[in-house]
Amino acid sequence: GENVEQHPSTLSVQEGDSAVIKCTYSDSASNYFPWYKQELGKRPQLIIDIRSNVGEKKDQRIAVTLNKTAKHFSLHITETQPEDSAVYFCAASPYYGGSQGNLIFGKGTKLSVKP
Amino acid sequence: EAGVVQSPRYKIIEKKQPVAFWCNPISGHNTLYWYRQNLGQGPELLIRYENEEAVDDSQLPKDRFSAERLKGVDSTLKIQPAELGDSAVYLCASSGRADEQFFGPGTRLTVL
Repeated sequence: GENVEQHPSTLSVQEGDSAVIKCTYSDSASNYFPWYKQELGKRPQLIIDIRSNVGEKKDQRIAVTLNKTAKHFSLHITETQPEDSAVYFCAASPYYGGSQGNLIFGKGTKLSVKP
Repeated sequence: EAGVVQSPRYKIIEKKQPVAFWCNPISGHNTLYWYRQNLGQGPELLIRYENEEAVDDSQLPKDRFSAERLKGVDSTLKIQPAELGDSAVYLCASSGRADEQFFGPGTRLTVL
């Protein structure tokens, strides 16, 4: 089955700096890669996702890149702000036999943005 | 649009007691998921429903966990009897025709 590894587990940056979180996956059938942000005590919320037919996607200060050959994808946050502080989860979902499989999540990255 | 609703938000029980969690997905979402999230970890799927049918329950510990979604809308997850290791946040999520999953606020279970 799919296995997703996420690094680093913690990341501390100064406000205004960039933050990069990296994930690798094992199943070449995976074709959907969402990123979730989870603030303390809150629900995970989708912030951006990418499909395997696209190499990069950007939404304001957030971007995701995908390298299918190397089986890794990354989240990039530019001009970080204190409100970006949260735990970020990557996930991967394989596509088998005409249907989308389950999301497999990484262990999360706790991002702290210092003002 | 109302989001995924879960209740209760918090539950404290003693080991060997039963407990049940309820989820109401976003209206029109046919797919419903129950996840367990341990402290400092990502969500792990317990069971996935397509309408009334449990299409993947391979990660559900069936000796003590059960779930149902009788009318293809609301769902209940039950643990009987609870063990200390069941302490976690239980998340419900739903999705429509697209793949995006919307999560509920979760139920934080503490087993003493």
